[in-house]
Amino acid sequence: SQQGEEDPQALSIQEGENATMNCSYKTSINNLQWYRQNSGRGLVHLILIRSNEREKHSGRLRVTLDTSKKSSSLLITASRAADTASYFCATGENYGQNFVFGPGTRLSVLP
Amino acid sequence: ETGVTQSPTHLIKTRGQQVTLRCSSQSGHNTVSWYQQALGQGPQFIFQYYREEENGRGNFPPRFSGLQFPNYSSELNVNALELDDSALYLCASSPGAGASSYNSPLHFGNGTRLTVT
Repeated sequence: SQQGEEDPQALSIQEGENATMNCSYKTSINNLQWYRQNSGRGLVHLILIRSNEREKHSGRLRVTLDTSKKSSSLLITASRAADTASYFCATGENYGQNFVFGPGTRLSVLP
Repeated sequence: ETGVTQSPTHLIKTRGQQVTLRCSSQSGHNTVSWYQQALGQGPQFIFQYYREEENGRGNFPPRFSGLQFPNYSSELNVNALELDDSALYLCASSPGAGASSYNSPLHFGNGTRLTVT
């Protein structure tokens, strides 16, 4: 079953704008991760936030985690055309045996 | 540092046939996980191998099986292929298993695109 659910399903913005994607999940987690996938390729890890952390930054990425609301958000600032991809949240369960991915947000950044 | 490599990149099979997909893990990683990704969906966990033993399994039937070798490379075998098995199959490696790795990211290969006709 898919635990993470990203919102929106699709997002189209202009280059230079910020993009915000949200993820909701259902059960307790060890951590939450965000991945990016370019069309037809493998997933690339972007950032991991542990259950006892509330915010994390990496370059133009900012991730927040609210365990009371079972939700996370990924903010990409000053977006570029190269940011066009699908973005997935994944929650770590069962002490690393598997990660549960949501259906993803398809981001299009228009030049 | 060598990344995760998968072979073949594309494969076309007929319903009822069997298929073997291969994966070489990133150097230094002894855990391999397999995921199935249908078109427009997120990856679904199939199973994980750690030190040549299955270390967790998702909701997939027994006709999905795997192996891990002493060099930590892995195979995914699917018997009696069905049309719904058409998907991108992703292999991901990570260091360690259990509590030593559950805060480690997954390193994915580019996948094998399987089409069942």
